[in-house]
Amino acid sequence: EVQLVESGGGLVQPGRSLRLSCAASGFTFDDYAMHWVRQAPGKGLEWVSGISWNSGSIGYADSVKGRFTISRDNAKNSLYLQMNSLRAEDTALYYCAKDKHLSTSCHFDYWGQGTLVTVSS
Amino acid sequence: QSALTQPASVSGSPGQSITISCTGTSSDVGSYNLVSWYQQHPGKAPKLMIYEGSKRPSGVSNRFSGSKSGNTASLTISGLQAEDEADYYCCSYAGSSPHVVFGGGTKLTVL
Repeated sequence: EVQLVESGGGLVQPGRSLRLSCAASGFTFDDYAMHWVRQAPGKGLEWVSGISWNSGSIGYADSVKGRFTISRDNAKNSLYLQMNSLRAEDTALYYCAKDKHLSTSCHFDYWGQGTLVTVSS
Repeated sequence: QSALTQPASVSGSPGQSITISCTGTSSDVGSYNLVSWYQQHPGKAPKLMIYEGSKRPSGVSNRFSGSKSGNTASLTISGLQAEDEADYYCCSYAGSSPHVVFGGGTKLTVL
């Protein structure tokens, strides 16, 4: 059974940093691209970042480019999101999502339950 | 990169069919056959319903179908059921960064 378990969310002050993690199991992690997708309270889905199977292709939404860094450790079956210079508008539920392909597409066939990030003073 | 355009809401009665549109540009929807659709019930994670424009994952009802014409993709749900009431999002690959763009979401109400 595929499982994606996010962790690392919490309450953080504006301008500070947070690192999210996603532990994957139930599939061959290094055969698939992975993504972070967020959803602000009461709002729609927003793609944040994606990384190909071998980290050779990485992409970011314009809203986080230069502040967030995605990475993966295939030996540990884990996906990460380093979030720096956090802003109030980054407040959201952050989902880890598995792609159906080696390279990034928008076909997310499995999702975690999300980890909540709240940016507030 | 702007979000894809979806109607804010659609509604239909049980047994009817509805279609949700998703309009992008020649840089995303129009350039790639990589459009997907997600269903999200309140408090739940999204669920993949359609990928590569018209393919259904295993376990998804054949009442759900997808299509594309030019820069617009569409999701059709036939034989509406009460459990179909949810938010629906389209998503397209967009090539170079940003790689992916979502639609704003459509709330489906089953009357």
